[in-house]
Amino acid sequence: QSVLTQPPSASGTPGQSVSISCSGSSSNIGSNTVNWCQQLPGTAPKLLIYGNNQRPSGVPDRFSGSKSGTSASLAISGLQSEDEADYYCAAWDDSLNGWVFGGGTKLTVL
Amino acid sequence: EVQLVQSGAEVKKPGESLKISCQGSGYSFSNYWIGWVRQLPGKGLEWMGLIYPGDSDSRYNPSYSPSFQGQVTISADKSISTAYLQWSSLKASDTAMYYCARHEREGDWRRFDPWGQGTLVTVSS
Repeated sequence: QSVLTQPPSASGTPGQSVSISCSGSSSNIGSNTVNWCQQLPGTAPKLLIYGNNQRPSGVPDRFSGSKSGTSASLAISGLQSEDEADYYCAAWDDSLNGWVFGGGTKLTVL
Repeated sequence: EVQLVQSGAEVKKPGESLKISCQGSGYSFSNYWIGWVRQLPGKGLEWMGLIYPGDSDSRYNPSYSPSFQGQVTISADKSISTAYLQWSSLKASDTAMYYCARHEREGDWRRFDPWGQGTLVTVSS
């Protein structure tokens, strides 16, 4: 059972927009910024969003993040087939004094 | 280019010991925390612990997730820019992919970037 809660799956067709939610608590998302990672099949995770809404260099602006209270969301616009991957949210937890992750959301591009 | 390169896949028997590595390059290894993350087969990511290579022997460094405290040992050798994750007695339930990642903190944000390519550990009799 992951500390952060994500839907197990999401889907969309090419060109559509999709959103993935991540719910936490006051000790993690409520107190700290949220990261999102993308894990393509058979590869290592890659940082997609940090600081709630910041993109590392090289990440397309089709990917955006937001946070409100103890929840966060990842939005992907102009969906492409190569976006098919697992997406994880993560945040520092002040009670644990460490990182907590969501269970991951498998995105299918139909 | 900032890069973390992990050691290769391992196949071990229950009860055996193991030490896997994560070598950093392209940055000052001593000045950034390194984290370890486990991924069980077909499952999500779990944080295991953090180490600051620049001061790896202090009382609060490394730090461990309660789920992994006493189960693994995290260490680092800054002279060769390498962090380690080790087991003294492996169990079948340790079968997983293990990732290292550089942990960075600035202002109000923290992040894991980049990630190593992963080390697959298989424990089977």
